[in-house]
Amino acid sequence: DQQVKQNSPSLSVQEGRISILNCDYTNSMFDYFLWYKKYPAEGPTFLISISSIKDKNEDGRFTVFLNKSAKHLSLHIVPSQPGDSAVYFCAASGDGSSNTGKLIFGQGTTLQVKP
Amino acid sequence: DADVTQTPRNRITKTGKRIMLECSQTKGHDRMYWYRQDPGLGLRLIYYSFDVKDINKGEISDGYSVSRQAQAKFSLSLESAIPNQTALYFCATSRGEAGTYNEQFFGPGTRLTVL
Repeated sequence: DQQVKQNSPSLSVQEGRISILNCDYTNSMFDYFLWYKKYPAEGPTFLISISSIKDKNEDGRFTVFLNKSAKHLSLHIVPSQPGDSAVYFCAASGDGSSNTGKLIFGQGTTLQVKP
Repeated sequence: DADVTQTPRNRITKTGKRIMLECSQTKGHDRMYWYRQDPGLGLRLIYYSFDVKDINKGEISDGYSVSRQAQAKFSLSLESAIPNQTALYFCATSRGEAGTYNEQFFGPGTRLTVL
């Protein structure tokens, strides 16, 4: 049972345009959401996160939106750059006060930004 | 530079062999994790450890064992490798501060092939 789903395996956008990566989840106990970025032959690196008490978090060109009623989050990249081409993983944590740090990952979306 | 390293980076082995994957970190983090990545499935947690004496199973621990030799070292063993354990394996670390979510830092990965 996939609790965190990224239904688009791939996305291709033109440089300078907006990239929107989507993620859906099923467990209403999740209280923290993260996006990781992965280049080939490297480990994932943290990109941006959002707590369930917020609906938006912004960091430079990257913005994450959370819609709790729809159990949906999205990552917006504006403007997209060729160096953003990578696999993006959505992840969720539902430990609350126990704070085990365990993450549930989505399947990943491969973003290609064309020059 | 503080980092998470994994050895070996690539390994090809045969069914039934015992394999050990090693992870070392210089970040001074208490928490360490082992994940595997499979195409279309994202990253799944195998084991995690909060300190040398605290080791916990993740969602897919069957067929694996771990050893936390020191704060900085966390090894994953496949006692008798089988072909469906062919995957990309990642080690990760995080701080263990109470009351806040702690970002995970990933190593570069080990590509394991079981023939």
